Amino acid sequence: DTAVSQTPKYLVTQMGNDKSIKCEQNLGHDTMYWYKQDSKKFLKIMFSYNNKELIINETVPNRFSPKSPDKAHLNLHINSLELGDSAVYFCASSIQRGGYNEQFFGPGTRLTVL
Amino acid sequence: KNQVEQSPQSLIILEGKNCTLQCNYTVSPFSNLRWYKQDTGRGPVSLTIMTFSENTKSNGRYTATLDADTKQSSLHITASQLSDSASYICVVHTGFQKLVFGTGTRLLVSP
Repeated sequence: DTAVSQTPKYLVTQMGNDKSIKCEQNLGHDTMYWYKQDSKKFLKIMFSYNNKELIINETVPNRFSPKSPDKAHLNLHINSLELGDSAVYFCASSIQRGGYNEQFFGPGTRLTVL
Repeated sequence: KNQVEQSPQSLIILEGKNCTLQCNYTVSPFSNLRWYKQDTGRGPVSLTIMTFSENTKSNGRYTATLDADTKQSSLHITASQLSDSASYICVVHTGFQKLVFGTGTRLLVSP
């Protein structure tokens, strides 16, 4: 009965490779997010989708491309991986858009680029 | 510039003791402030949310306060337990669908 799930949990890859992280929520929420947490534990929002439509796109290199096939899924594809992409990536969802709504986070995907 | 600063950066306390974590923000406009707890290796989990008109809100042994005039919030943990060891993150919502995250406080409760 996992609420927000991400796969894989760990991802180790070489520079220059392309990789994807998948996220699914079974809460029936309309809004989903991708966050990056760096080594100093600072969480930074990358993207937000509401009902499959992109609503937040922070300053993120265009090597990062989110895709939402339906409102329960938000995947993150990363092209030409760089060392600086190493971080923990969190997916989250909320019932609706808007900062008052609690965000439910997934367990995170630790990406290591060698 | 919208900023959320938390102090201390890290804290070690003995089991059973109380502690208070601080959050100062310069976010404007202000809509609400939320405290999250993040266990090691897991995603953050919401503890409390406070709006402009609320001064205090409790969730079990966690009590959050908000002073909208001085733009400060605190999270007080009573009778700490080993399971309270985690990072605590303060997040302020500006009202323009923008969340500003603090850098967090790492708490270690020692037996």
